[in-house]
Amino acid sequence: NAGVTQTPKFQVLKTGQSMTLQCAQDMNHNSMYWYRQDPGMGLRLIYYSASEGTTDKGEVPNGYNVSRLNKREFSLRLESAAPSQTSVYFCASSERGGTGSDRQFFGPGTRLTVL
Amino acid sequence: AQTVTQSQPEMSVQEAETVTLSCTYDTSENNYYLFWYKQPPSRQMILVIRQEAYKQQNATENRFSVNFQKAAKSFSLKISDSQLGDTAMYFCAFMTARYGSRLTFGEGTQLTVNP
Repeated sequence: NAGVTQTPKFQVLKTGQSMTLQCAQDMNHNSMYWYRQDPGMGLRLIYYSASEGTTDKGEVPNGYNVSRLNKREFSLRLESAAPSQTSVYFCASSERGGTGSDRQFFGPGTRLTVL
Repeated sequence: AQTVTQSQPEMSVQEAETVTLSCTYDTSENNYYLFWYKQPPSRQMILVIRQEAYKQQNATENRFSVNFQKAAKSFSLKISDSQLGDTAMYFCAFMTARYGSRLTFGEGTQLTVNP
């Protein structure tokens, strides 16, 4: 039982390049989330998927797209990377979503640098 | 909009002593949940403790306890018998049932436990 896994762990991009961050969970959770963490700030929600087949914008969605590929996988895509997207990206999942009592489990994070 | 504020960027404590981390939040919601997450140098986000707003009793988890003051919108974390392994960044977070399981995080408090 690996929990929430993310690939890659580190990535360096040049401005304008594109890439996809991958996230998978093996806990049969319905809801999945993408956050970014910048220095001196807490995590901020980029996008989330309450259930398979649905996605919604979070607090900072500009410059990103997501795909809920299936119940296990939720990917985050940067179409044209910018230096402002340099950050640590966390994926999380929770069992049912839509309820405040739902605990989120986090992946180990991806450190992305855009030059 | 919900906001979470942690006014202590850094704190330190001697091993075996007690330390309290502060958190305030702002919301017009009545049904919500509050969390403390720990992020050690490994970057892994670890749930420390959770409090339901409708419960008057303060949550406790072993050496960790909270002081939840709903009227004052205050949610502090007390760590008793501090251990070296408690050294980490601590984030206060907020969730409302209205917005599913989306978490809003504070800026974090870096806690250092000194031997």
